Amino acid sequence: DGGITQSPKYLFRKEGQNVTLSCEQNLNHDAMYWYRQDPGQGLRLIYYSQIVNDFQKGDIAEGYSVSREKKESFPLTVTSAQKNPTAFYLCASSQGLAVDTDTQYFGPGTRLTVL
Amino acid sequence: QQQVKQSPQSLIVQKGGISIINCAYENTAFDYFPWYQQFPGKGPALLIAIRPDVSEKKEGRFTISFNKSAKQFSLHIMDSQPGDSATYFCAATIDTGTASKLTFGTGTRLQVTL
Repeated sequence: DGGITQSPKYLFRKEGQNVTLSCEQNLNHDAMYWYRQDPGQGLRLIYYSQIVNDFQKGDIAEGYSVSREKKESFPLTVTSAQKNPTAFYLCASSQGLAVDTDTQYFGPGTRLTVL
Repeated sequence: QQQVKQSPQSLIVQKGGISIINCAYENTAFDYFPWYQQFPGKGPALLIAIRPDVSEKKEGRFTISFNKSAKQFSLHIMDSQPGDSATYFCAATIDTGTASKLTFGTGTRLQVTL
């Protein structure tokens, strides 16, 4: 999993509660990403960050928030505004910005279930 | 809107056979096409990638074929092995010099039987 850790592996929350998913990397990568994976839909980009204190919305940012206070950390908060939060969440990082030389390395994922 | 369409959804191949997974894209601005391999409970890992200026790229038993005019590309796994059983995702992105925003296909679950 290339030096990217996500915790916890499984997470349960009650409907209406906010929850924060952790992502830490020790690869000294500049860019970090959050994806959501649902059966039959592939991976969809939620947020990404190119540098510390800067991040951009991906394709499905509604109901999510992020922060990038440290280079190695990119936590994702799933808010109560997210209508269908049950999914497998994947964090990734890349060295820099070039698509073919800066491979995205993925963490092991967190499976979030809303009860 | 699904910008990268992947087929089949699932595939069963006998050991030693050839596995073929197909993808088609709509955005002609895409200029980098990676394939990812994902084992159950794990994150995806880059398998092989191609740029549209070549029609084929081979790495070991894995080959990408690319047809720019048809906007299609495919992954061929030669001499498929049980250890290749995984979910495969094609993806596409535009090299803008900023953080790469990958658009993924929906995935193909490959099972290689003995």
